[in-house]
Amino acid sequence: DGGITQSPKYLFRKEGQNVTLSCEQNLNHDAMYWYRQDPGQGLRLIYYSQIVNDFQKGDIAEGYSVSREKKESFPLTVTSAQKNPTAFYLCASRKTGRTGELFFGEGSRLTVL
Amino acid sequence: AQSVTQLGSHVSVSEGALVLLRCNYSSSVPPYLFWYVQYPNQGLQLLLKYTSAATLVKGINGFEAEFKKSETSFHLTKPSAHMSDAAEYFCAVTRKTSYDKVIFGPGTSLSVIP
Repeated sequence: DGGITQSPKYLFRKEGQNVTLSCEQNLNHDAMYWYRQDPGQGLRLIYYSQIVNDFQKGDIAEGYSVSREKKESFPLTVTSAQKNPTAFYLCASRKTGRTGELFFGEGSRLTVL
Repeated sequence: AQSVTQLGSHVSVSEGALVLLRCNYSSSVPPYLFWYVQYPNQGLQLLLKYTSAATLVKGINGFEAEFKKSETSFHLTKPSAHMSDAAEYFCAVTRKTSYDKVIFGPGTSLSVIP
């Protein structure tokens, strides 16, 4: 079955460490997205990519980095520059077309100790 | 700029009662609108979407929503709540003229009382 796979589901890291969250999709979607979710704040867009080797900053890109070397993959790195990285991170993809809805992975919960 | 507001961060209803979750949007151009549901520690899944074909949209699990341009609203309803409806609900908007970004509201947590 097609879908989006995020890993790891739970991750702990110490302050000052970078961590990379994986996101893989086999839906053949062109666009991919990373959102951050905090209680009471909904989903905030970190980065998005509409084609391979191209991506754009969302509303809260500071302290994060991404790459899009393959259509299927859109990893997110949470760097030590991110001041408050503890959150639930959601990856999504979207079929090209104006009405296309987002398809989400199961999420990755990052806790900084 | 686009934005989405959801009135009521938490809503409680009795089992069998009407569910009404409110969503208002702000968009300078005609929008596409979505409702998503999220169960604990999971990703979001689509309930329904408005793409201008019809103002009353029916979705999964008995939910529906009505687009009202004059009120800039897209409220979600279900005639009779079920225990399994307890979840977090998000309204989202994207612009017809630039559909790359999808903006989410803050969410409404629905509790169903037996």
